[in-house]
Amino acid sequence: ETGVTQTPRHLVMGMTNKKSLKCEQHLGHNAMYWYKQSAKKPLELMFVYNFKEQTENNSVPSRFSPECPNSSHLFLHLHTLQPEDSALYLCASSLTQGKDEQYFGPGTRLTVT
Amino acid sequence: EDQVTQSPEALRLQEGESSSLNCSYTVSGLRGLFWYRQDPGKGPEFLFTLYSAGEEKEKERLKATLTKKESFLHITAPKPEDSATYLCAVQASGGSEKLVFGKGTKLTVNP
Repeated sequence: ETGVTQTPRHLVMGMTNKKSLKCEQHLGHNAMYWYKQSAKKPLELMFVYNFKEQTENNSVPSRFSPECPNSSHLFLHLHTLQPEDSALYLCASSLTQGKDEQYFGPGTRLTVT
Repeated sequence: EDQVTQSPEALRLQEGESSSLNCSYTVSGLRGLFWYRQDPGKGPEFLFTLYSAGEEKEKERLKATLTKKESFLHITAPKPEDSATYLCAVQASGGSEKLVFGKGTKLTVNP
């Protein structure tokens, strides 16, 4: 595997389900990011981790819970989501936070029913 | 508040018809301006970073330029495979260092 990978690529879940999104980067980077991309809206930054430490939470509801066990892996745990949370969730990484270009994964298309 | 506005929202070109996409920005201090390309169903693909006014970067048929208020992405003699949504993002200096994205320009190049 190369670059940034995300699984699953598509996810349909009910509002009472619990699911997790996974991201893995194979670039040797130290910073990882979660973004939300909704139709007709700009990418919205959700969370940032730098060297496994969370450095930014962009006022994200608590039904989204990130986890970064090491610099290569990032998870987004989902529970009790709302239909308006349906979107493309993108993971990105960069060498360090704030100084380098970010490289994105292919995203997880989430549909909340 | 940092803001990025991209225009036009959508652009249709004939193959070989050159044009430019605009990215206007408002930021307290610019650390960097980034251009990405996004194909349907995929994540954004990094194209360029520009750091200071007057800087230019090129890649194949694409050329990005930067002034103090805006950036242009010039597409010379485009081909159908250049069809994509082009995203612009700015990063402010001295702040949270997060990228602020525009809504993008959807480019369609017809054969």
